[in-house]
Amino acid sequence: GQNIDQPTEMTATEGAIVQINCTYQTSGFNGLFWYQQHAGEAPTFLSYNVLDGLEEKGRFSSFLSRSKGYSYLLLKELQMKDSASYLCAVRDRTGGGNKLTFGTGTQLKVEL
Amino acid sequence: GAVVSQHPSWVICKSGTSVKIECRSLDFQATTMFWYRQFPKQSLMLMATSNEGSKATYEQGVEKDKFLINHASLTLSTLTVTSAHPEDSSFYICSAEDVDGAGKNIQYFGAGTRLSVL
Repeated sequence: GQNIDQPTEMTATEGAIVQINCTYQTSGFNGLFWYQQHAGEAPTFLSYNVLDGLEEKGRFSSFLSRSKGYSYLLLKELQMKDSASYLCAVRDRTGGGNKLTFGTGTQLKVEL
Repeated sequence: GAVVSQHPSWVICKSGTSVKIECRSLDFQATTMFWYRQFPKQSLMLMATSNEGSKATYEQGVEKDKFLINHASLTLSTLTVTSAHPEDSSFYICSAEDVDGAGKNIQYFGAGTRLSVL
């Protein structure tokens, strides 16, 4: 199975930059996803990495190092609406499926 | 982008009754859909993978007779919680898999269904 680890909570200031880390262990790695989830709502897709390196998409960037089993999500120019839970999810090709295993999420609080 | 609709968003039912939740892909066809369960302040736990035209694949510990899944078309999967009990109260979320412009399989989520069993 997979083991996915990310911090439980983080606090940052509006306008600043924050980095949310995720480490994972899996036998059949086939991609790492980041989702944003506001309380009581469904997750929304942010980014996807399957190869090493940085993927940039506006204020959000995601990095992957497969050899280290490590990813981070970088949020720039933080806004109050970025306060949410950020979920790291790993896709495993074991068994031929496309199942995602989610971490417990990092609750980000953006303050003035 | 890909849109997934889930209905109802909120349901209250009496213990012993059955509840059906629908998950629709609105602007794409989804061979594969997924059903998750989420407890407060916890992450999503995969319950089953729903495959169009075939039986669903359930995760270990999930009772297939309790949580009936039907994926009769490329745009609709349903989850029926049979003989619901208070311990089934939870947030149920579906997702549907689509291929983006770069050829990557991405799961897009419905808005979720909050089930309360009295």
